[in-house]
Amino acid sequence: GENVEQHPSTLSVQEGDSAVIKCTYSDSASNYFPWYKQELGKRPQLIIDIRSNVGEKKDQRIAVTLNKTAKHFSLHITETQPEDSAVYFCAARKDDKIIFGKGTRLHILP
Amino acid sequence: DAGVIQSPRHEVTEMGQEVTLRCKPISGHDYLFWYRQTMMRGLELLIYFNNNVPIDDSGMPEDRFSAKMPNASFSTLKIQPSEPRDSAVYFCASTRRGPTGGYTFGSGTRLTVV
Repeated sequence: GENVEQHPSTLSVQEGDSAVIKCTYSDSASNYFPWYKQELGKRPQLIIDIRSNVGEKKDQRIAVTLNKTAKHFSLHITETQPEDSAVYFCAARKDDKIIFGKGTRLHILP
Repeated sequence: DAGVIQSPRHEVTEMGQEVTLRCKPISGHDYLFWYRQTMMRGLELLIYFNNNVPIDDSGMPEDRFSAKMPNASFSTLKIQPSEPRDSAVYFCASTRRGPTGGYTFGSGTRLTVV
């Protein structure tokens, strides 16, 4: 089955700087890669996603890149703000199942 | 739409008791998923349904866990008997097959077994 590895597990960045979270997946048949943000005590919420026929997607300060050959994808957050502090999960979907990475706890330092 | 609705929000029970968690998916969504979240293991897929039929239950930890979906608007996850290691947040999520692909999660049930 699919296995998703996510790094780092914890990331601290200065407010205004950029943050990058990286993930790898094992099953080359996976074709959809969502990213979820989970604030403390709340549900995971979809923030951006990318399909396997696209290499990059951007939405304001958030961008995702996908390298199908290497089977890795990344989340980039620019101009970080305090409200970006949360746990971020990458995921890979094959057929109907979405398998999640272990999460990255992002701290935005004042 | 009210989103995915889970109940209860919090459950505290004694070891050995039966626990039932409930989920109402978004109307029109034909897939429903149960996940368990812990610090150590992250978000684990337990089981998922398509059109009320269980498709993959390979993530269900053991026979103490069971899930049903008697109709398109209701699903239950039951643990009997419960154990302290079952303490976790249990999320239900739903989606509709199509190009969108992402799930909508419920608010979760925080289960504590003492």
